[in-house]
Amino acid sequence: EIELTQSPGTLSVSPGERVTLSCRASQSISAGNLAWYQQKPGQAPRLLIYDASSRATGIPARFSGSGSGKDFTLSISSLQSEDFAVYYCQQYNDWPPITFGQGTRLDI
Amino acid sequence: QITLKESGPTLVKPTQTLTLTCSFSGFSLTTTEAAVGWIRQPPGKALEWLGIIHWDDNKRYSPSLKTRLTITKDTSKNQVVLTMTDMDPVDTATYYCAHRGRDGSGTYSPYFDYWGQGTLVTVSS
Repeated sequence: EIELTQSPGTLSVSPGERVTLSCRASQSISAGNLAWYQQKPGQAPRLLIYDASSRATGIPARFSGSGSGKDFTLSISSLQSEDFAVYYCQQYNDWPPITFGQGTRLDI
Repeated sequence: QITLKESGPTLVKPTQTLTLTCSFSGFSLTTTEAAVGWIRQPPGKALEWLGIIHWDDNKRYSPSLKTRLTITKDTSKNQVVLTMTDMDPVDTATYYCAHRGRDGSGTYSPYFDYWGQGTLVTVSS
């Protein structure tokens, strides 16, 4: 089973800042089979990035994903107020099981 | 427009069997490569993948829950059903169903691009 470790657990930032969230896998993830989701309180997760770097439909360009092997990042340029949420990574390279990271919370 | 919605009991007793239904529209589970997955989230905790059912009735389950889970589909009703036996208070969570991701070129992969709103299931006597 591939374990995903996200860091930091919580990040306190200000609107307008650029942030980078990390997701490290316990094994190499080939072909970039990794996705990122945003979840706000009381809502279902929303797909942001798939295949490590492809933005999902309707996702603003300020969200970008990168990485390969074991290390992946989600970057958000110029944080907007609506971006304060919890972010999860998910791998689908070696499954079952499909696994999620424990999440990174972005706080104002 | 793809939509999914979970339905079922909000409260189950320990040792009981949970049955949840995912009703969807905007796609068909008869379409090659289409699939619906189930994911849960205990209050304040991370997401946990439970299983997935594909258009050809191929199913995959979380190894840690495999003995307790069954996923079936009714393509005529556009529904997927999750059954989980021997419920325990630790199974208290919001349960989501979600559509297997499909990119612009039509390639399916097991991320999830559309999610239901989720349904909170509490396990308590």
